[in-house]
Amino acid sequence: EAGVAQSPRYKIIEKRQSVAFWCNPISGHATLYWYQQILGQGPKLLIQFQNNGVVDDSQLPKDRFSAERLKGVDSTLKIQPAKLEDSAVYLCASSPRSGEQYFGPGTRLTVT
Amino acid sequence: DAKTTQPTSMDCAEGRAANLPCNHSTISGNEYVYWYRQIHSQGPQYIIHGLKNNETNEMASLIITEDRKSSTLILPHATLRDTAVYYCIVRVERSNDYKLSFGAGTTVTVRA
Repeated sequence: EAGVAQSPRYKIIEKRQSVAFWCNPISGHATLYWYQQILGQGPKLLIQFQNNGVVDDSQLPKDRFSAERLKGVDSTLKIQPAKLEDSAVYLCASSPRSGEQYFGPGTRLTVT
Repeated sequence: DAKTTQPTSMDCAEGRAANLPCNHSTISGNEYVYWYRQIHSQGPQYIIHGLKNNETNEMASLIITEDRKSSTLILPHATLRDTAVYYCIVRVERSNDYKLSFGAGTTVTVRA
């Protein structure tokens, strides 16, 4: 079974620029998550989708971050404008209605 | 969800059993214990989970104390590929809510 796909794997941008990350979850998984992982820390949940609806976005900095999951499959996370403190690995995960989460390889963002 | 306490780091010898402790003294009766690991430059990977009974799968064994205030993840024959950060997480199983709250985890280094 194919795993969670993410692209790009690496991205370098200057502060105040915009960036977007893409995630394709495992086929049939209803729930999709975006996490932010700062170097040396555990992943922190940004947003959780159930199909194409948002379940929890309480930790998403909504002034600059946005996410969507059109048609309940692929998802895009956007940052506009980026700040230096947004430098991190952005992880996408998916899960069936119950059970463990499956993570993608992540996108490493560097903001200069 | 209850918080967990794990040692920051530990070493173990290749071929020997690795015992990773986790304290969760405030765990509630309906909270499960989950273990994930994250190998360098990869997303977290599910290992095992349990409620009160000991669990075993092809990767590891999970031993939960009778009072459920602590648990131990056992890697029976550690290999160099088991070098990773190991996260112990406790969470309630709620419908449509399977988010994970990661701490800093234990950095496990398996040495030849």
